[in-house]
Amino acid sequence: DADVTQTPRNRITKTGKRIMLECSQTKGHDRMYWYRQDPGLGLRLIYYSFDVKDINKGEISDGYSVSRQAQAKFSLSLESAIPNQTALYFCATSDNRQYPFYEQYFGPGTRLTVT
Amino acid sequence: DQQVKQNSPSLSVQEGRISILNCDYTNSMFDYFLWYKKYPAEGPTFLISISSIKDKNEDGRFTVFLNKSAKHLSLHIVPSQPGDSAVYFCAARGQTGANNLFFGTGTRLTVIP
Repeated sequence: DADVTQTPRNRITKTGKRIMLECSQTKGHDRMYWYRQDPGLGLRLIYYSFDVKDINKGEISDGYSVSRQAQAKFSLSLESAIPNQTALYFCATSDNRQYPFYEQYFGPGTRLTVT
Repeated sequence: DQQVKQNSPSLSVQEGRISILNCDYTNSMFDYFLWYKKYPAEGPTFLISISSIKDKNEDGRFTVFLNKSAKHLSLHIVPSQPGDSAVYFCAARGQTGANNLFFGTGTRLTVIP
């Protein structure tokens, strides 16, 4: 079984709709991240969380919110989706207590299309 | 502003030859550099890293070189194999303590049998 899972894997939604992307991990890591990948732009950080009580904005947090429901779960919400949020979204985890603590483990991605 | 850049979107190499993927960065405060490999429909997977205090790190067929004065790093794959065909992302870690990674735009490597 995969250590970092994302649901759904693909989603098509309409402008203005609220949508939630979910991430679960079985690695026991304390840190979790949400990235988006756009063609020609690489991966950009949206939000990250050090633990359940700690949420931090990343490079491109506008239009997004997150919830860390448990150490193993980190969800990303688009309150009112817009077409330029069409992208590939990745969840990642890392363990700050174990070398190499900078290594991040990624889920398989969620392809989101906003029409 | 892109702090980590991969100027070659694609690279084709014959099987058995060397693949060289390049990456440039602008922030001199980055302390670790990583290479990730990504296959279609999968998330990126960690490949190899290098600390800013070193200039070379080797792991099997993969070697990463860091030139701090030029703010440049490269990944060498020798010998290249068809299974190495993937998108390779260069990433750099900031020193903020948040463990955030800044990614390049990726280079698609195709190894021709």
